[in-house]
Amino acid sequence: DAEITQSPRHKITETGRQVTLACHQTWNHNNMFWYRQDLGHGLRLIHYSYGVQDTNKGEVSDGYSVSRSNTEDLPLTLESAASSQTSVYFCASSDSTGHNEKLFFGSGTQLSVL
Amino acid sequence: SQQGEEDPQALSIQEGENATMNCSYKTSINNLQWYRQNSGRGLVHLILIRSNEREKHSGRLRVTLDTSKKSSSLLITASRAADTASYFCATEDSNYQLIWGAGTKLIIKP
Repeated sequence: DAEITQSPRHKITETGRQVTLACHQTWNHNNMFWYRQDLGHGLRLIHYSYGVQDTNKGEVSDGYSVSRSNTEDLPLTLESAASSQTSVYFCASSDSTGHNEKLFFGSGTQLSVL
Repeated sequence: SQQGEEDPQALSIQEGENATMNCSYKTSINNLQWYRQNSGRGLVHLILIRSNEREKHSGRLRVTLDTSKKSSSLLITASRAADTASYFCATEDSNYQLIWGAGTKLIIKP
């Protein structure tokens, strides 16, 4: 069955370190998204991609970067981790017809920056 | 500020009862979606309703959309323990931005 997987599920790092969170989908979806989820907030969009070599900034992109070299993967990099980036990170994908319709989500990565 | 605002923030009902949660938004939208999130898991898409639709059904779920009041409701009939989860609405605005509410936490008591 097609799926979207995130790794690692849990990560503890120190401030200032570079961290990369992986996202891999086998839906063959062109659209991929990274969100963060914090208590009391809805999901907030970090970066998104509508296809290979396409990347766009979302609402809270500062301190994060992504690259899209193939259809399946959209890794999220925290250039220099900060305590404010402690959060749960979700990757999602959708097919081409409706960019924002019927998103499929991974199980999330709990990131703690100490 | 959040486009979608769910109400109530938390809801606790007995198994078998109906659960209703609401979502309000501020600007015109293309569509509105509802998602479910079980504890410690990713979100799962439940239903999408477009701006020109007023009601949609999917199994025990009924969604209504009132664009004049800029609000939507999600009704879960004959609730089950497995319905315990957080429910989020997401609205796509005219700029094709998807904006999420903070969610309603639903607890079904056996």
